[in-house]
Amino acid sequence: AQSVAQPEDQVNVAEGNPLTVKCTYSVSGNPYLFWYVQYPNRGLQFLLKYITGDNLVKGSYGFEAEFNKSQTSFHLKKPSALVSDSALYFCAVRLLSGSARQLTFGSGTQLTVLP
Amino acid sequence: DTGVSQDPRHKITKRGQNVTFRCDPISEHNRLYWYRQTLGQGPEFLTYFQNEAQLEKSRLLSDRFSAERPKGSFSTLEIQRTEQGDSAMYLCASSQGQSNQPQHFGDGTRLSIL
Repeated sequence: AQSVAQPEDQVNVAEGNPLTVKCTYSVSGNPYLFWYVQYPNRGLQFLLKYITGDNLVKGSYGFEAEFNKSQTSFHLKKPSALVSDSALYFCAVRLLSGSARQLTFGSGTQLTVLP
Repeated sequence: DTGVSQDPRHKITKRGQNVTFRCDPISEHNRLYWYRQTLGQGPEFLTYFQNEAQLEKSRLLSDRFSAERPKGSFSTLEIQRTEQGDSAMYLCASSQGQSNQPQHFGDGTRLSIL
């Protein structure tokens, strides 16, 4: 079984400050990890993924995420937040191998960037 | 790349009625997924197609739900005898053949059961 935890329902940060959205995962094997963003009444938009290689992954719109195998974490980060980054963020996991193709999502973190 | 398209965007129906949603994936994507999202939650997997073959089904997919992808292109999701608990956003996603490729999502169909 695989699962994802996003421990914070809400994160508030001031514009220009760095932001972090936390994610931990549990899988019985090597994971693929993803971050998606969702704006109101829209589908999920892909931000970045970790497959193998460097633990720091860079993605769209200046976002990056750090994979930490020992802590089973994949936190999303951005050095300088914008008001337009305010949205709902989802972390997702799937197994590197095996027949399962579906993503397992966390419950989401609402990010609010204050001007 | 015109993105994943879903129709309709919104559906309001009375309890007990049947509804059908359509998903048009990105044209070169051979994998297609259906998810359900309720308020305040992340999407939950329903079913997955590779080309026209339905390869996985979640336990969430009761016998009132059926999905098809007859020619390996667009897909339909039908819910029969709708119940209040079916109210949700139904999301479709597609991806290319490589298993490490991200899934690209449509904007969903929001179903409201009266």
